[in-house]
Amino acid sequence: AQSVTQLDSHVSVSEGTPVLLRCNYSSSYSPSLFWYVQHPNKGLQLLLKYTSAATLVKGINGFEAEFKKSETSFHLTKPSAHMSDAAEYFCVVSETGRRALTFGSGTRLQVQP
Amino acid sequence: EAQVTQNPRYLITVTGKKLTVTCSQNMNHEYMSWYRQDPGLGLRQIYYSMNVEVTDKGDVPEGYKVSRKEKRNFPLILESPSPNQTSLYFCASSPTPRNSGNTIYFGEGSWLTVV
Repeated sequence: AQSVTQLDSHVSVSEGTPVLLRCNYSSSYSPSLFWYVQHPNKGLQLLLKYTSAATLVKGINGFEAEFKKSETSFHLTKPSAHMSDAAEYFCVVSETGRRALTFGSGTRLQVQP
Repeated sequence: EAQVTQNPRYLITVTGKKLTVTCSQNMNHEYMSWYRQDPGLGLRQIYYSMNVEVTDKGDVPEGYKVSRKEKRNFPLILESPSPNQTSLYFCASSPTPRNSGNTIYFGEGSWLTVV
């Protein structure tokens, strides 16, 4: 069975400081992992995905994530936060042939001026 | 432009009044699904469809129906809505679930309030 745990429900950072959103997963098989972002009153936009190629994945808007199998983690980082990064972020796991994605419960990122 | 389109985006309805939320994708995707998003729970799958005329229950199917008569459309039907179905609903599509690395495309969401 697959599961996803986002370790923080809320993260607050100052503009220009680094962002770290934490995600741990559980999967019986080699999973694919995604980060999606949801801005207020908007749908979900793909930030980046890991599909068993390079373990360090670069996404849009300066975000990146590192797949660490030994730690079953897929944390999302960005060197310098921007006000426009304020949103909710979802870590998602998928296994080949499984009928559903499994979503984490989300992390709300606040960026203070 | 590749997109998943849901309608209506916002709806307030009364208990027991049947409603349908439409979903259409223009990417010729085989796989479509419906999710509901509730605070603190992330997104949970309601129903999914692997292809035309092939649908199956997700994790929270109670109170919902779907149909897949055409590849591009996947409507969500609430035959007798109840207040616990007040939620934000997302339709999603992807080429096929056989490759777990396929990107899932989401609609912009439908806010449904049942009073």
